[in-house]
Amino acid sequence: EDQVTQSPEALRLQEGESSSLNCSYTVSGLRGLFWYRQDPGKGPEFLFTLYSAGEEKEKERLKATLTKKESFLHITAPKPEDSATYLCAVNRGSTLGRLYFGRGTQLTVWP
Amino acid sequence: NAGVTQTPKFQVLKTGQSMTLQCAQDMNHEYMSWYRQDPGMGLRLIHYSVGAGITDQGEVPNGYNVSRSTTEDFPLRLLSAAPSQTSVYFCASSYSITASGANVLTFGAGSRLTVL
Repeated sequence: EDQVTQSPEALRLQEGESSSLNCSYTVSGLRGLFWYRQDPGKGPEFLFTLYSAGEEKEKERLKATLTKKESFLHITAPKPEDSATYLCAVNRGSTLGRLYFGRGTQLTVWP
Repeated sequence: NAGVTQTPKFQVLKTGQSMTLQCAQDMNHEYMSWYRQDPGMGLRLIHYSVGAGITDQGEVPNGYNVSRSTTEDFPLRLLSAAPSQTSVYFCASSYSITASGANVLTFGAGSRLTVL
């Protein structure tokens, strides 16, 4: 059965303390891995799409990487405004348009 | 350009009542979908549409109906509400399904539904 597993479930960091979030997946025919950010009471907001192993993308303090089995979201020198839930999702080529989401990692950055 | 608009934001229903969650997008997106989000669980796909007149089931379609008469609107109908349908519902749209099958979704702000 296809699965998307995110770890840790929750992460508390002090401002400036870099860390990584993990998303492991077991899907056949991966056609894209997505990272979204979700603030409380709001809908998810798109961050990155990765398509192939070895690919990397960056945006401000965030950097997403992809291997054949997992993706990492690296957060460098986080600030309190980076506090949010980060969601990982995968798209399978056999079911166009369907995204399968992990449960998310709730990140809290304290000053 | 409002993006994806969902109404209502909050709704309380009694078991057995019916209602419709509205979703509208002004980006001329072909693809629209409904997800539900429950505590401790990931977003789960209910129904989706790849264009006007075309709909299909997702992971958890039971108890919900959809239709797509226009490109802009994709309402979600609860026929006979049950407490298990208490959740936050998100509508999402995308410009198209790319050749690779991947598509970037734009989400609405969500509709919080409580069924008593």
